[in-house]
Amino acid sequence: EVQLVESGGGLVQPGRSLKLSCVASGFTFSNYGMNWIRQAPGKGLEWVAYISSGSSYIYYAETVKGRFTISRDNAKNTLYLQMTSLRSEDTALYYCARGGLTGSPDSFAYWGQGTLVTVSS
Amino acid sequence: DIQMTQSPSSLPASLGDRVTITCRASQDIGNYLRWFQQKPGKSPRLMIYGATNLAAGVPSRFSGSRSGSDYSLTINSLESEDMAIYYCLQHNEYPLTFGSGTKLEIK
Repeated sequence: EVQLVESGGGLVQPGRSLKLSCVASGFTFSNYGMNWIRQAPGKGLEWVAYISSGSSYIYYAETVKGRFTISRDNAKNTLYLQMTSLRSEDTALYYCARGGLTGSPDSFAYWGQGTLVTVSS
Repeated sequence: DIQMTQSPSSLPASLGDRVTITCRASQDIGNYLRWFQQKPGKSPRLMIYGATNLAAGVPSRFSGSRSGSDYSLTINSLESEDMAIYYCLQHNEYPLTFGSGTKLEIK
């Protein structure tokens, strides 16, 4: 069974940093591109970042470029999101999701349960 | 960036109704369009992939279609469990972009 489990969220002051993790199981993690997608309270879904299976290709939303860094450790089956210079508008539930620019039927079929990041003083 | 214009934002409907939600892409995305269902407190669930294909385990009352740059999700014979928010996603190029969501609710 495919599982994605996020962690690392919490309350953080504006300007500070936080690192999220997503542990994958039930599939060969090193074969798949991964994404971070967020959802502000009561709002819609916003794609944040993508990293390819071997970390060769990385893309970011303009809203986080230069502040967030996506990375992965295939040996640990773990995806990361390092967030710096956090702003109140970064407050959201952060999901990791498997998928990419592929027509595969199961691309974006698997999401974690999310980890909540609250940026507030 | 590709804009996905989703409509309507809210859709009151009755059980047994047939409803349609639409996303319009600002650029060509081919069939790289997916539909998701999200219920309160839950992660999004993939419903349709490749614009027209039913994802695994999705009831056959759901269907997807494409007409040019317009992509539609249709639900035939609405059931109470279908009340949720629906989002489209284009994954033809980065940055990926979602539609703004359609809240399907009981009339």
